[in-house]
Amino acid sequence: DTEVTQTPKHLVMGMTNKKSLKCEQHMGHRAMYWYKQKAKKPPELMFVYSYEKLSINESVPSRFSPECPNSSLLNLHLHALQPEDSALYLCASSQEIGQRSQPQHFGDGTRLSIL
Amino acid sequence: AQSVTQLDSQVPVFEEAPVELRCNYSSSVSVYLFWYVQYPNQGLQLLLKYLSGSTLVKGINGFEAEFNKSQTSFHLRKPSVHISDTAEYFCAVSDPTGGFKTIFGAGTRLFVKA
Repeated sequence: DTEVTQTPKHLVMGMTNKKSLKCEQHMGHRAMYWYKQKAKKPPELMFVYSYEKLSINESVPSRFSPECPNSSLLNLHLHALQPEDSALYLCASSQEIGQRSQPQHFGDGTRLSIL
Repeated sequence: AQSVTQLDSQVPVFEEAPVELRCNYSSSVSVYLFWYVQYPNQGLQLLLKYLSGSTLVKGINGFEAEFNKSQTSFHLRKPSVHISDTAEYFCAVSDPTGGFKTIFGAGTRLFVKA
């Protein structure tokens, strides 16, 4: 069983729709991440939150909007996506970003298809 | 900038045979190294990590890896693989000069045949 829970598992949406991906962890981790993974590729970092503040934005288009309402929750709001945005979206968490790097715990992802 | 090279994109191997998945990294400073496994339709799961100390690191599912600083390598090994080990394996490095971002290799597809 994964300790990072992502919903929904699958999402199909049109290019004009607005939807949100959700991620939840109860391990007390203070760093949370969004990754995008295309087929047969490694995960690509999108955003990092540290102590509920946006720490890293990897030049992600504004049609992706992250939100961290509290230390356990991470959302990714989607609007006006393009077909090339179809991918597996992974959420991860780690103890914190700091002097010692800790491994990340990943959810099973949301498989997103844009029609 | 940090980079991670996984030298084999695919490794086919027969069941119960040994396997080595190769990983090299580029860095002139101390780094933290990880191996993750991704089974179909799942997220990534940590197999093992090297932060400091002993260069031979043991992980879950019978995997181990050896850190070699002079060769900047962190190869993953298992003495006898099972069908259930078929998955994608990612080597990753945490870059202390890059805000502790994790840099992933391109991945190695391990395919275990009966």
